[in-house]
Amino acid sequence: DSGVTQTPKHLITATGQRVTLRCSPRSGDLSVYWYQQSLDQGLQFLIQYYNGEERAKGNILERFSAQQFPDLHSELNLSSLELGDSALYFCASSVPGERAFFGQGTRLTVV
Amino acid sequence: QKEVEQDPGPLSVPEGAIVSLNCTYSNSAFQYFMWYRQYSRKGPELLMYTYSSGNKEDGRFTAQVDKSSKYISLFIRDSQPSDSATYLCAGSGGSYIPTFGRGTSLIVHP
Repeated sequence: DSGVTQTPKHLITATGQRVTLRCSPRSGDLSVYWYQQSLDQGLQFLIQYYNGEERAKGNILERFSAQQFPDLHSELNLSSLELGDSALYFCASSVPGERAFFGQGTRLTVV
Repeated sequence: QKEVEQDPGPLSVPEGAIVSLNCTYSNSAFQYFMWYRQYSRKGPELLMYTYSSGNKEDGRFTAQVDKSSKYISLFIRDSQPSDSATYLCAGSGGSYIPTFGRGTSLIVHP
């Protein structure tokens, strides 16, 4: 168990809908990272938050957004969903400058 | 060209074999290098974390980094069927954000 908790584990939704994925980082970790993993693209970095503020952006679509709350949990919001958004979404957390630990992911299926 | 390249495999070996997994990377700013193991679409599990060039050993696992050739390796000694998984290499620079290869699928058969 990495200590990073993601909910829900599975999500099935229709095209055009909006969903929210939740991540609770390891105790003491201030950095949270979101990744998308699809079969053809591998693990792609989406966005990083550090202590409530956006720190870095990767290949995140404009339809996607995230935030980190004062208690350090983070949410990834995906809107106007398309079939191609079906993927595994992972959250990772770390102490600054140290190794990142991953949660078990949320499997999103858009139908 | 992806920043981190890995042969997707699958790599199939008999139990007890020494396994060699390799990556190349293109970003000269990478200073930290990682190997993660991922079982059937579960969360990636950190195996090895190294800084700069050199070797690091942990049990049956040895990680090697050669920054001059931008080459990363993971060796697994006495491989077991339970080692069957996808192995992801990653590098990061000053941002500490891991950039991953696509992973190599390893199958260890009894």
